[in-house]
This record gives sequence, structure tokens and C-alpha cells, in this order.
Amino acid sequence: QVQLQESGPGLVKPSETLSLTCAVSGYSISSGYYWGWIRQPPGKGLEWIGSIYHSGSTYYNPSLKSRVTISVDTSKNQFSLKLSSVTAADTAVYYCARLGGWGAGDYWGQGTLVTVSS
Amino acid sequence: QSALTQPASVSGSPGQSITISCTGTSSDVGGYNYVSWYQQHPGKAPKLMIYDVSNRPSGVSNRFSGSKSGNTASLTISGLQAEDEADYYCSSYTSSSLVFGGGTKLTVL
Repeated sequence: QVQLQESGPGLVKPSETLSLTCAVSGYSISSGYYWGWIRQPPGKGLEWIGSIYHSGSTYYNPSLKSRVTISVDTSKNQFSLKLSSVTAADTAVYYCARLGGWGAGDYWGQGTLVTVSS
Repeated sequence: QSALTQPASVSGSPGQSITISCTGTSSDVGGYNYVSWYQQHPGKAPKLMIYDVSNRPSGVSNRFSGSKSGNTASLTISGLQAEDEADYYCSSYTSSSLVFGGGTKLTVL
């Protein structure tokens, strides 16, 4: 059974960099699929942040592209998100997910709440 | 890229059928057969219900079906049950990106 688990600080100060990691078990990232980050502000809808292929190719939401970096570590079977210069608008539950080639997320992590506040 | 348009809420009685629409453009919904639908219960992660417009993942009830016409995709739930009450989101592939709809709250009366 494929499982994903997000980890990282739950509180980040404004202007700093948000860093999260998604550990994958039950499936080797090197075997394929895209791996993505999606976020959901409290009480609001889902927003795609970006995706990475096992080879390292990345795809980002144009509205966040200048602040986002997604990387993969196949040796640890995990991938990571960095979002720089955060503001209160970046407060959200952050999910990691396994995505089919055309974006269908069949496995998701439980989500982790990140609050941006001083 | 703009979010896909969904009705804010829909409702139905147990046993009835409902349809949720998801309207985009020729650059996303209309341009690709890569629309997905997700169900999200409060405090839970989204669950994939439909992918590639009309395909159901293994384990998803056949009461859920998807379709598309032009720039609008639709999710139909037949034989409504109390457990179907949740938020539903559509998403579409669009030139190396993904875009989600704003979400629809389904209330089972």
C-alpha cells in the first residue's frame, strides 16, 4: 500500500522559507509517476503548487513559480518543497500526493498545517 | 491560469441523483480529456473519485460517474447516500500545469 507522510515546521515567520518533506513508502519514487504538492488555505479550495518527475523534471504553478522549489531524493524515497518569502496568505494545509501523468492524484498524505505568523 | 468554475453548493435527498458541473476553457477542460474529481470530507485528504473524465479508480462506487461536453465536465452521483455529503473538487491538466475548481459542497437532505 502506497503511503505518503508530510513533515516539517508547523509555524514559519513572514519573509522566511517554508520547507516540507514528503516521505513515500510502499512504492519507489524511482519507478515512475509524478509527485506533487497541493495546498488548501483554511476554509478554502485546493491549489496545485507544483510537481516533480522521478527524473527531476519540475513543473510549477505560474503564480508561485518565482518562490517555489521542489526536489526529489530517490535514495531516501522522498521529495521536498521549499516556498520562499512567505506571507500570511501562504497559511494552509499542505498535502503531498502521487500524481498520474495527467494530474490524477491517487495517493495523498494526511496533510500538514503550516501557519505563517510572527 | 484561472480556477475552474464549480457551483458553491448542491443538495439532494437520499436515493436521488445530483450533478456537479466544472466549467473551464479550451485551454484546460475543453482541450484535454484529463479531468479528475475528488471527494473531501472535513479534516481529511481529498480522495480520487474519477480520472481522465470518466474512469473510476478501483474501489470507487459505480454510483459515481463523470462526463464532459465542450469546456464543461460533470460529476454525477446516483442513489445519494448520507456518506456522500462532502466537498467535491474538479481538476484539469493544462499545458504542464494543473488547475482545480473552487469546490462544491454537497448536502444530503
